Amino acid sequence: DAGVIQSPRHEVTEMGQEVTLRCKPISGHDYLFWYRQTMMRGLELLIYFNNNVPIDDSGMPEDRFSAKMPNASFSTLKIQPSEPRDSAVYFCASSLRGSTDTQYFGPGTRLTVL
Amino acid sequence: AQSVTQLGSHVSVSEGALVLLRCNYSSSVPPYLFWYVQYPNQGLQLLLKYTSAATLVKGINGFEAEFKKSETSFHLTKPSAHMSDAAEYFCAVSDDGGTSYGKLTFGQGTILTVHP
Repeated sequence: DAGVIQSPRHEVTEMGQEVTLRCKPISGHDYLFWYRQTMMRGLELLIYFNNNVPIDDSGMPEDRFSAKMPNASFSTLKIQPSEPRDSAVYFCASSLRGSTDTQYFGPGTRLTVL
Repeated sequence: AQSVTQLGSHVSVSEGALVLLRCNYSSSVPPYLFWYVQYPNQGLQLLLKYTSAATLVKGINGFEAEFKKSETSFHLTKPSAHMSDAAEYFCAVSDDGGTSYGKLTFGQGTILTVHP
């Protein structure tokens, strides 16, 4: 298996623009997690899905952030409009049985909002 | 609520020396505990995990951790550091150890530097 795939690896955009981050989980994994990593706040869980259904989005910072999982092999995290404080590395992870199971992380998307 | 505290944001050791990275947790239920490692410009990968079986857990690359309930600790050790161990290490606790639902709460991370 290729592991968790994220695209793009790097994104540079200007404030106010829409940003879409993409994730393909490992085939057969029922859980998908979106994290954000910054120097100030460390690694934060934004939202996670079970069988394509959002279970907990309490970590989503505000309404500018939205996430979808239209099928078992694809998820998006969208920021609209983007702000400089959204600059961070965004990770997607998947697991077979939820957070008590091993999570497999993608390589991350480094987002810079100017 | 679950929480994790990693003592020391930076640890520096010499090659061949003992590595000790400290982690204390807070949990209202029996916890699931994890150590992940992050190499530069990469995602996190699992080193080892405790799931209420043996209290001494062995992981990859010669690392191990011991669950001590009385001390609410899950410290990570390796007898002899290698240059390739230089990375950032994260301790994490599961929000709900009894079901498949729940969140992983991560500590702030410890950057390990290994000197020749």
